[in-house]
Amino acid sequence: AQTVTQSQPEMSVQEAETVTLSCTYDTSESDYYLFWYKQPPSRQMILVIRQEAYKQQNATENRFSVNFQKAAKSFSLKISDSQLGDAAMYFCAYRVPNFGNEKLTFGTGTRLTIIP
Amino acid sequence: DSGVTQTPKHLITATGQRVTLRCSPRSGDLSVYWYQQSLDQGLQFLIQYYNGEERAKGNILERFSAQQFPDLHSELNLSSLELGDSALYFCASSQDTGTSGRFRGTDTQYFGPGTRLTVL
Repeated sequence: AQTVTQSQPEMSVQEAETVTLSCTYDTSESDYYLFWYKQPPSRQMILVIRQEAYKQQNATENRFSVNFQKAAKSFSLKISDSQLGDAAMYFCAYRVPNFGNEKLTFGTGTRLTIIP
Repeated sequence: DSGVTQTPKHLITATGQRVTLRCSPRSGDLSVYWYQQSLDQGLQFLIQYYNGEERAKGNILERFSAQQFPDLHSELNLSSLELGDSALYFCASSQDTGTSGRFRGTDTQYFGPGTRLTVL
């Protein structure tokens, strides 16, 4: 079974600084997809960024970028120029494209605090 | 706003009761997923419907059931409620390709705001 591990229950960063959240996963699949979702205090689950495993290039979305290391099964999220609105729980998630097995498997989350 | 709507936002009920949670997917999305977020279990997949049919099942209790209607909205029914069923229930939707194959960006799951269920 696929598992997703987030080893940092909590992280904090000074406003405008850079922070990296860690995620590792275990799978025997070669084709899969990885996601970071953000859950602010409102509890809404918001997609931050996604990465296709067959792509070697790391995904970026404005201040958010990932470091995808397929061999190491590592998928970290880097947030640059941290802003107060980035304070949230961040969940790493995994899925495969296979018919009938499209569910997301989530890690336990990392709570990010932004220090003004 | 993800385009996925869920009602009600909050639900407070007693043990032994039955409740129905409703989800309307984004326009054009055929798949609906239900997830449960609780303090001790984290985010867990419950069940998926695709175009009206059940497509995948996770660790969904027998007391729970779901369906997807012809207009693609979905309902999650929870019965014989227990204290441990208190949680945030999310619905997510995606287009999905309908077949296995390479990710095309249409398979991203977009989440609704959730229904917070409290069982007293």
